[in-house]
Amino acid sequence: AQKITQTQPGMFVQEKEAVTLDCTYDTSDPSYGLFWYKQPSSGEMIFLIYQGSYDQQNATEGRYSLNFQKARKSANLVISASQLGDSAMYFCAMREWGSNTGKLIFGQGTTLQVKP
Amino acid sequence: NAGVTQTPKFQVLKTGQSMTLQCAQDMNHEYMSWYRQDPGMGLRLIHYSVGAGITDQGEVPNGYNVSRSTTEDFPLRLLSAAPSQTSVYFCASSYSTQSKNYGYTFGSGTRLTVV
Repeated sequence: AQKITQTQPGMFVQEKEAVTLDCTYDTSDPSYGLFWYKQPSSGEMIFLIYQGSYDQQNATEGRYSLNFQKARKSANLVISASQLGDSAMYFCAMREWGSNTGKLIFGQGTTLQVKP
Repeated sequence: NAGVTQTPKFQVLKTGQSMTLQCAQDMNHEYMSWYRQDPGMGLRLIHYSVGAGITDQGEVPNGYNVSRSTTEDFPLRLLSAAPSQTSVYFCASSYSTQSKNYGYTFGSGTRLTVV
């Protein structure tokens, strides 16, 4: 069954440092996608980065990169050079492309606080 | 502007009342979903739809009904509101295939309180 686990309820990072948010997943579908979303205190869901299961390289989007370790079923988000505006809730999510249901399943989320 | 529109943004209901949360998208997305967000539990899938006329249950469907008569609209109905349904509700939509736009687009959310 589709499952996403985020084991860090809260994280602190010093401004300008890098931080890694953990995400592990479970699926029996060989074709899947992993997503990271940011939810600031205002509440909107902001799409950050995507990694496909067949992608050969780790995804990068500006200061965001995804450390994809397929054998370990992990898809950790790395934020480089943290900024105060990065303080938010972060969600990892997965979609199984083979099932064609379109279901996007989320982890419990990690609250990141960036200290000045 | 293209996107997902949810109404209302805030709502207070009395226990036992019914209401419909509206969701509309103008991107011709095939897939639409409803989620509820509760503290410490992330977003949980209530119902989803893969196209007009087709809906299915997610993780937490009890107490909610949906229908999808058009590609654009996917309303969520609370039949008899209960305090346990106090939550923030998100509607989201997506293409069906691994197109250039991989992610779901989310509405701005509805904060529902049942007293």
